[in-house]
Amino acid sequence: GEDVEQSLFLSVREGDSSVINCTYTDSSSTYLYWYKQEPGAGLQLLTYIFSNMDMKQDQRLTVLLNKKDKHLSLRIADTQTGDSAIYFCAGPGPRAGYALNFGKGTSLLVTP
Amino acid sequence: EAGVAQSPRYKIIEKRQSVAFWCNPISGHATLYWYQQILGQGPKLLIQFQNNGVVDDSQLPKDRFSAERLKGVDSTLKIQPAKLEDSAVYLCASSFGATYGYTFGSGTRLTVV
Repeated sequence: GEDVEQSLFLSVREGDSSVINCTYTDSSSTYLYWYKQEPGAGLQLLTYIFSNMDMKQDQRLTVLLNKKDKHLSLRIADTQTGDSAIYFCAGPGPRAGYALNFGKGTSLLVTP
Repeated sequence: EAGVAQSPRYKIIEKRQSVAFWCNPISGHATLYWYQQILGQGPKLLIQFQNNGVVDDSQLPKDRFSAERLKGVDSTLKIQPAKLEDSAVYLCASSFGATYGYTFGSGTRLTVV
């Protein structure tokens, strides 16, 4: 995942908003994704955005895409303790049809 | 729909031994991936199959790792011989295609001692 970079750790208080940022380098894909991983589990698809969109909102989740800067962010409104997990950004592979590249993950800790 | 099934869930082996992991993807998903996730890191692609053909295995250590997807459905990943640095979670995922969202299995946690 060296082509996808994320901050490694974020701590917020319950009820606050969380913003997780990601930058990517390749641009061969049309979708970008956010995955969530809870301890001992596989990755769960959280949300995605099509590359011709700037923003996508899905309940408490807002995804912002700056295609020019290759910057993706995930905002979680009203963060709950159950949101504590590792969040992975997944960006385009090296060429069309190739697998996604994952970042190292951002560990989100929500404190009461 | 049933998810991606992986087995075993956990495996502990000694170095230089061999081990095999099995994955059953979601029915109808043509693309299957094996990822290696070392503790504290993101998933790293080992191999990508499209049906029963290999799309990308550029990061698969072919001197010790092998994978196959017979009949374009189930897949097995083998390590022979294992090294200490192979300790990781091996994740299988499937999708309709590379640009669609992936469904991951729960993974196999391998410990090499």
